[in-house]
Amino acid sequence: EVQLLESGGGLVQPGGSLRLSCAASGFTFSNYAMSWVRQAPGKGLEWVSSISGSVGSTFYADSVKGRFTISRDSYKDTLYLQMNSLRDDDTAVYYCAKGGLDSFYYGMDVWGQGTTVTVSS
Amino acid sequence: EIVLTQSPGTLSLSPGERATLSCRASQSISSSYLAWYQQKPGQAPRLLIYGASSRATGIPDRFSGSGSGTDFTLTISRLEPEDLAVYYCQQYGNSPFTFGPGTKVHIK
Repeated sequence: EVQLLESGGGLVQPGGSLRLSCAASGFTFSNYAMSWVRQAPGKGLEWVSSISGSVGSTFYADSVKGRFTISRDSYKDTLYLQMNSLRDDDTAVYYCAKGGLDSFYYGMDVWGQGTTVTVSS
Repeated sequence: EIVLTQSPGTLSLSPGERATLSCRASQSISSSYLAWYQQKPGQAPRLLIYGASSRATGIPDRFSGSGSGTDFTLTISRLEPEDLAVYYCQQYGNSPFTFGPGTKVHIK
């Protein structure tokens, strides 16, 4: 069974840093595109970042570019999101999602349960 | 950045009725890289449609997607009570891979 399990969320002060992790199982992680999507309280979905499969090309929303870094460790089957210079408006549930085999074409077909990030003083 | 507009904002229909949800893009979406997601209250999103018209694995055939260029549609042919959810479109042809604001479907 394909599963994604996020961790690393929590309460952080503005300007602080946090690293989210997404442990993947049930598929050949290194070959698949992966993404982070967030949802602020009571709001809609916001795409944050994606990383392609074998090449590892990265893509970012303008709102996080220069502050967040997506990466993957194919030995640990884990996706990461390093978040620096956090702001109040980064408060959200962060979802990890699986894409297609070395492609974004097939959409995000498996999602984790989400991890909550709260930025507040 | 491609901006997606979804209409209507809210749809209220009875079980068995047909629901038509619209997603309009500010510029043409390359290669129909357009997906639809369903999010039920308290749950993570679920992929319904990718490539504008291909149903994801396990999605009932009463869900269908159509369209190209800048105009896309999600149709639920016969609403069921469990279809109560917010439906989002997303384009992933050009970064940033933006979502629309969503259409909330109420079941009368």
